[in-house]
Amino acid sequence: EDQVTQSPEALRLQEGESSSLNCSYTVSGLRGLFWYRQDPGKGPEFLFTLYSAGEEKEKERLKATLTKKESFLHITAPKPEDSATYLCAVQDATQGGSEKLVFGKGTKLTVNP
Amino acid sequence: ETGVTQSPTHLIKTRGQQVTLRCSSQSGHNTVSWYQQALGQGPQFIFQYYREEENGRGNFPPRFSGLQFPNYSSELNVNALELDDSALYLCASSQGRENYGYTFGSGTRLTVV
Repeated sequence: EDQVTQSPEALRLQEGESSSLNCSYTVSGLRGLFWYRQDPGKGPEFLFTLYSAGEEKEKERLKATLTKKESFLHITAPKPEDSATYLCAVQDATQGGSEKLVFGKGTKLTVNP
Repeated sequence: ETGVTQSPTHLIKTRGQQVTLRCSSQSGHNTVSWYQQALGQGPQFIFQYYREEENGRGNFPPRFSGLQFPNYSSELNVNALELDDSALYLCASSQGRENYGYTFGSGTRLTVV
């Protein structure tokens, strides 16, 4: 069964204090690994898709990396507006035509000014 | 591009009642998925529709059912509501099997009392 574990559950940073969020996954065959940002009471907002080990993607202060067992979301010099819950999800290539995403529970990030 | 819209935004129902939630897909997207997100948890896959046919289902009982219409809008129906059905219900659309990017709506917050 596909599994996604995110750590830490919650993270408090000072503005400008860089850190990383971890996503460990178990999947039969990885079709893609997704990072989303979710604000309270809102739907997830797409950030990145990674497809193979060694791949990296960047967007503003965020950088996502992928290995065969885990992914990291690096946040450089965060600002208070980066405060949100960050969700990681995997898509299993052995699911046939289904595009089912298996999500972790998320990391709640708070950036204090 | 109008994004994914869901209605209603909030709903309160009594245990045992039935509910219908609605979703309008993003323009050009022919695949729609529904997810249930309990408080403090990641979204859980309910089912997916591709060109009006169910194309994958998660571990949810048959009282959760759905429809996709020719214009690719969708409905989620839940019969015999239980207290544990209280959650944020998310609709996500994508362009189909060759594209793995999902756009989520803001969700419907369902409370069962």
